[in-house]
Amino acid sequence: EVRLLESGGGLVQPGGSVRLSCAVSGFPFVNYVMNWVRQAPGKGLEWVSAVSGSGGATYFADSVKGRFTISRDNSKNTLYLQMNDLRAEDTAIYFCAKGHIDSSGYYHDAFDMWGQGTKVTVSS
Amino acid sequence: DIQMTQSPSTLSASVGDKVTIACRASQRISSWLAWYQQKPGKAPKLLIYKTSNLDSGVPLRFSGTGSGTEFTLTISSLQPDDSATYYCQQYHDNSPTFGQGTKVEVK
Repeated sequence: EVRLLESGGGLVQPGGSVRLSCAVSGFPFVNYVMNWVRQAPGKGLEWVSAVSGSGGATYFADSVKGRFTISRDNSKNTLYLQMNDLRAEDTAIYFCAKGHIDSSGYYHDAFDMWGQGTKVTVSS
Repeated sequence: DIQMTQSPSTLSASVGDKVTIACRASQRISSWLAWYQQKPGKAPKLLIYKTSNLDSGVPLRFSGTGSGTEFTLTISSLQPDDSATYYCQQYHDNSPTFGQGTKVEVK
């Protein structure tokens, strides 16, 4: 069974930092691009960041570029999101999500498995 | 960034109705479009990738069409379990973006 379990959320002061984790099981973690997607309260979905299977390539939304870092530890099947210089607008539920590989082996930046999310609240 | 615009924002339909949700991209994205269903308090669920390919286990009443900038999600016969918010998402470039969502209410 595929499982993605996020942790690390909580209440953080503006300008503060937090590191989110996503522990994965049930699929060959190293073979998949992994992503973070967030959802502000009552709002829609916003892709935040992605990391290649090896960890060598990373991508970020403009809204978090320079403040957030994504990484992975393939020996621990765990994805991370280091969030620095947090702002009120970063308040959201953060989901980790797995990229999709179709039956032909072609990769799609569509997210076929998601965790339950971890809530980050940035407030003084 | 590529902007995705969905219409309508909300819709209400009866069980058995055919429902269509539109999604427009601000520039051509070929067929690199996905659709998701999200229920309150839950993570999104992938329904369709590459415009028209159903993810594993997705009921056949869901279908997707389109290319370029105009895309459609159709539910052929609406069921009570389809009450949810639906999002389109483009993945033409390295910065995926979502539509604002369409809330579907089943009467």
